[in-house]
Amino acid sequence: DVKVTQSSRYLVKRTGEKVFLECVQDMDHENMFWYRQDPGLGLRLIYFSYDVKMKEKGDIPEGYSVSREKKERFSLILESASTNQTSMYLCASSRSLNEKLFFGSGTQLSVL
Amino acid sequence: SQQGEEDPQALSIQEGENATMNCSYKTSINNLQWYRQNSGRGLVHLILIRSNEREKHSGRLRVTLDTSKKSSSLLITASRAADTASYFCATTQVAGNQFYFGTGTSLTVIP
Repeated sequence: DVKVTQSSRYLVKRTGEKVFLECVQDMDHENMFWYRQDPGLGLRLIYFSYDVKMKEKGDIPEGYSVSREKKERFSLILESASTNQTSMYLCASSRSLNEKLFFGSGTQLSVL
Repeated sequence: SQQGEEDPQALSIQEGENATMNCSYKTSINNLQWYRQNSGRGLVHLILIRSNEREKHSGRLRVTLDTSKKSSSLLITASRAADTASYFCATTQVAGNQFYFGTGTSLTVIP
């Protein structure tokens, strides 16, 4: 069965810390995405990647960066965590925009 | 920016009833997809309908697409308590490079 794995289900960090959220997919998908989900706001795209070492900004990239050194792994980095980055973070992958997205279970991040 | 808007925001029905959720979008699309999310979990794909299709079925799910009205509906027939979840539509645009999600419909099925 296909899988997108996020490294942590729950994470608690302090303001100012550098935070790494890891995502691994086992489907050889080209496309990988990072979303954040907040109540009433739906899913908002932070960054996405169509190939190794390639990245594109989504709708809300400020305060985030990403890394895709290998095809199966897409990392989201919070350079200096702030309380307004407390949120559910969802990673997803797809073969193409004409096919479905596969999501990880999500990481609930709390920044104190 | 979000492409889809679901309606209603919340829906509460009795077990056995049908549930209908609607999605409206703004620009021409390649396809429209529906996803389900249980509380605190990731999204799970339900069904994909392409822009040249009008209706699709999968088990108790029926999806329609009206490109002239830029809208889609998801019908869940004979609902069960286990259908309680949030449902999201997502679109890909003709000239786009990402998936656009709506804000979702929260469905509660009362046993």
